[in-house]
Amino acid sequence: EPEVTQTPSHQVTQMGQEVILRCVPISNHLYFYWYRQILGQKVEFLVSFYNNEISEKSEIFDDQFSVERPDGSNFTLKIRSTKLEDSAMYFCASSDGGGREYSNQPQHFGDGTRLSIL
Amino acid sequence: GENVEQHPSTLSVQEGDSAVIKCTYSDSASNYFPWYKQELGKGPQLIIDIRSNVGEKKDQRIAVTLNKTAKHFSLHITETQPEDSAVYFCAASRRGSQGNLIFGKGTKLSVKP
Repeated sequence: EPEVTQTPSHQVTQMGQEVILRCVPISNHLYFYWYRQILGQKVEFLVSFYNNEISEKSEIFDDQFSVERPDGSNFTLKIRSTKLEDSAMYFCASSDGGGREYSNQPQHFGDGTRLSIL
Repeated sequence: GENVEQHPSTLSVQEGDSAVIKCTYSDSASNYFPWYKQELGKGPQLIIDIRSNVGEKKDQRIAVTLNKTAKHFSLHITETQPEDSAVYFCAASRRGSQGNLIFGKGTKLSVKP
């Protein structure tokens, strides 16, 4: 069964450093998402991406965050200057659109990247 | 904005018993309600979903019910097995949104053999 893959599984970074989290969505999916989960808390939406542009973003997704689809298979999340509070599990997800209203299409998640800011 | 409340936060059942997890949502424009199972060290795995045009959906031992008037939906697991032990999340997505899922806080289900 096709799956979303994320690398690395664990990233340790010094505060103030830039970090890039990588995702390979399911190959025929058109919609891509990033979520984060701070330890012990709920999963929170960060951003959705379609047709090479951001569709929607949350208040969490400030100017320090950016997303990119550099080629036909990868989808990345960059944090420019990391803060301690960025420590969390980051999940990538993708969904199929097929021309339907994509607010109600199943999203498939990767296993996440644990980001630890020191 | 949308807010999803989930209860209980922990649930312990004996193997073979049923488990029920309940969620409420606030935005009447929400029209898609998925349930995810998260095992330790893994990402959320979609187990079942329901759209607002139906009241109930079943897939083997798992069923979901939706009451649009009361704005609540529930996950029912029958004949529970130890491998059902995990954290379960409900979520809601609003019509016209860009797929933004709003999650509940999760329920840690423990099935005792």
